[in-house]
Amino acid sequence: EAGVAQSPRYKIIEKRQSVAFWCNPISGHATLYWYQQILGQGPKLLIQFQNNGVVDDSQLPKDRFSAERLKGVDSTLKIQPAKLEDSAVYLCASSSGTVGETQYFGPGTRLLVL
Amino acid sequence: ELKVEQNPLFLSMQEGKNYTIYCNYSTTSDRLYWYRQDPGKSLESLFVLLSNGAVKQEGRLMASLDTKARLSTLHITAAVHDLSATYFCAVDKNTDKLIFGTGTRLQVFP
Repeated sequence: EAGVAQSPRYKIIEKRQSVAFWCNPISGHATLYWYQQILGQGPKLLIQFQNNGVVDDSQLPKDRFSAERLKGVDSTLKIQPAKLEDSAVYLCASSSGTVGETQYFGPGTRLLVL
Repeated sequence: ELKVEQNPLFLSMQEGKNYTIYCNYSTTSDRLYWYRQDPGKSLESLFVLLSNGAVKQEGRLMASLDTKARLSTLHITAAVHDLSATYFCAVDKNTDKLIFGTGTRLQVFP
C-alpha cells in the first residue's frame, strides 16, 4: 500500500514570495490533515478535511495561508506572502476516519524562508 | 484548551538500561497516540491507546494509559542504539484532532 505522498521535499524562498505544497493521501482515506512542525516542537494542526469539506481550520492563519481539496483526494496548501516565521516542515497526514485509527504521515516539505 | 506535556524533554541513556517517558494532558480524553520521529524524517505510528488501562507492547517499548490520572507512559526496556529518536505523544479530544506533546529526544549510547 502506497503511503502519503508530498512534494516538493524542500523549498527555499524569500520572504513575501508565495509557495505551494501538494499532498496525495493514502488511497481511500477520507480525512486529510496539514500540520506545521517548527524545529524542536511537535506538529501543530493547520487544517483538517473530511472528503472535500473543511472540518477544522481554527489554527490556519487565513490572512496568508489557504488550502483546498477540491475532489476529495489530493490537496494543496499555499502560503502567500511568506514570512520568516513560516520556516518549518509542513506535514500532510491522512486517515480513514475510523474512530481511534492512527494518522499516517507523509515525508513532509521542509520550507526555508529567507 | 488541551495541553500535552512530556518529560523529560531530553534523555541520554546507556544501552541496556530501562527508562520511562511521561505524557501528561490537561483535559479528559480516551485516545492517546505515540509516534516516533527520526532526524529529518516524518512521524511513524507506534501505539494507539483507546481506553483506560490500555497497555501495548512492541519489542522493547511498552505504552500504557491512565485516563483518570491523564497520564500515559512509554517504557523502554534494555535500550539499544536503534531506539535513538524523538518520541511524541498526542491526544485526541474525540474530534480526530491531535494535540501533540513537546517531544522527548532520546539518545542511546554504548
